[in-house]
Amino acid sequence: KNQVEQSPQSLIILEGKNCTLQCNYTVSPFSNLRWYKQDTGRGPVSLTIMTFSENTKSNGRYTATLDADTKQSSLHITASQLSDSASYICVVRNYGNKLVFGAGTILRVKS
Amino acid sequence: DAGITQSPRHKVTETGTPVTLRCHQTENHRYMYWYRQDPGHGLRLIHYSYGVKDTDKGEVSDGYSVSRSKTEDFLLTLESATSSQTSVYFCAISDREQTYEQYFGPGTRLTVT
Repeated sequence: KNQVEQSPQSLIILEGKNCTLQCNYTVSPFSNLRWYKQDTGRGPVSLTIMTFSENTKSNGRYTATLDADTKQSSLHITASQLSDSASYICVVRNYGNKLVFGAGTILRVKS
Repeated sequence: DAGITQSPRHKVTETGTPVTLRCHQTENHRYMYWYRQDPGHGLRLIHYSYGVKDTDKGEVSDGYSVSRSKTEDFLLTLESATSSQTSVYFCAISDREQTYEQYFGPGTRLTVT
């Protein structure tokens, strides 16, 4: 069954600290993986997209990694800011053109 | 929100009443989608459209219908709302099929009492 599991479900960190969010998937055959940021009351916005051959991709303070062998991805946030408080959603696409969404990790950055 | 608006943004309705949600885009994208988002679940596809009057079902289409008479508008209708349809509904658009980048609207929070 195609599934995307994210951990932790929620996370609280202090402003300025780093954090890492995890995404494990069983989607097959794998095509690509996206991370979205969803602010409260808004729609998701794409942060990064990674294909099978990419191990790391950065977007400012956000760095995504992908291990296609273990079917794991992580999103690392460096020097967190209050504006990073949001839900982060991992989405995996297979070659059957199906998108599978994770339930998201809720991040709260405290001052 | 990439030229996508949804209306209404909030709605409370009673069980058994019909409800129509509207998605409007100004990007002239061919593909449009309706998702629902519930706590503990990822976004789930309800219906999508790949052109004017061309629509297809997603994974949770029961109890929902859609229509697209113009490129810019995609309507989602709950013929007889039930409490299980209480959710946040998101519209998304793409200039290619759903495997490519999707841009999401701001969402509609629907409560069925």
